[in-house]
Amino acid sequence: QQPVQSPQAVILREGEDAVINCSSSKALYSVHWYRQKHGEAPVFLMILLKGGEQKGHEKISASFNEKKQQSSLYLTASQLSYSGTYFCGKEIEEGGTNAGKSTFGDGTTLTVKP
Amino acid sequence: NAGVTQTPKFQVLKTGQSMTLQCAQDMNHEYMSWYRQDPGMGLRLIHYSVGAGITDQGEVPNGYNVSRSTTEDFPLRLLSAAPSQTSVYFCASRRVSYNSPLHFGNGTRLTVT
Repeated sequence: QQPVQSPQAVILREGEDAVINCSSSKALYSVHWYRQKHGEAPVFLMILLKGGEQKGHEKISASFNEKKQQSSLYLTASQLSYSGTYFCGKEIEEGGTNAGKSTFGDGTTLTVKP
Repeated sequence: NAGVTQTPKFQVLKTGQSMTLQCAQDMNHEYMSWYRQDPGMGLRLIHYSVGAGITDQGEVPNGYNVSRSTTEDFPLRLLSAAPSQTSVYFCASRRVSYNSPLHFGNGTRLTVT
């Protein structure tokens, strides 16, 4: 089962903040975030592991709430270059038959306007 | 270091034709996978492999076959193409470790008429 992302789309002005949420009905082992520009391949942003701390990448950070089976991506003081579609991916276990089976949400399209 | 290489970049097929999408990686990654992405949609896992000789089905495996005879290569076969298989296909690889990200190829845009 794929994770569920919200919202589906966000429109911002430069300098504004945004939060993208990702939730799962199954217990998560890890959550990873990617950004995809139109016509390009997804590019890795960060991974959050069960029991790990919040991660950061420039002005983009993320958190992972194991109890709620939810992760959130925070974009601070957004720039034009942040525009794109953001995907969360999940893995439900480290080993076993599902090892490495990464499934993705439907994405959140972020548009940053000048 | 080329990363993940997919060929071809574009392909047009007629219904019922067969073809193989090629994927190769030079990072010695154990894990490789195929995703399809329909317009405006997310990535759907077709098949994946955790090592040579080992493959498993993902979320949408019907109509596709895979094999993994080497660590480097993971081809995706369409035996009898259907218009519903029109999509962009991405191959991805990573190490099988707890903090390893997926590396994506540039995609193959497939149209079935």
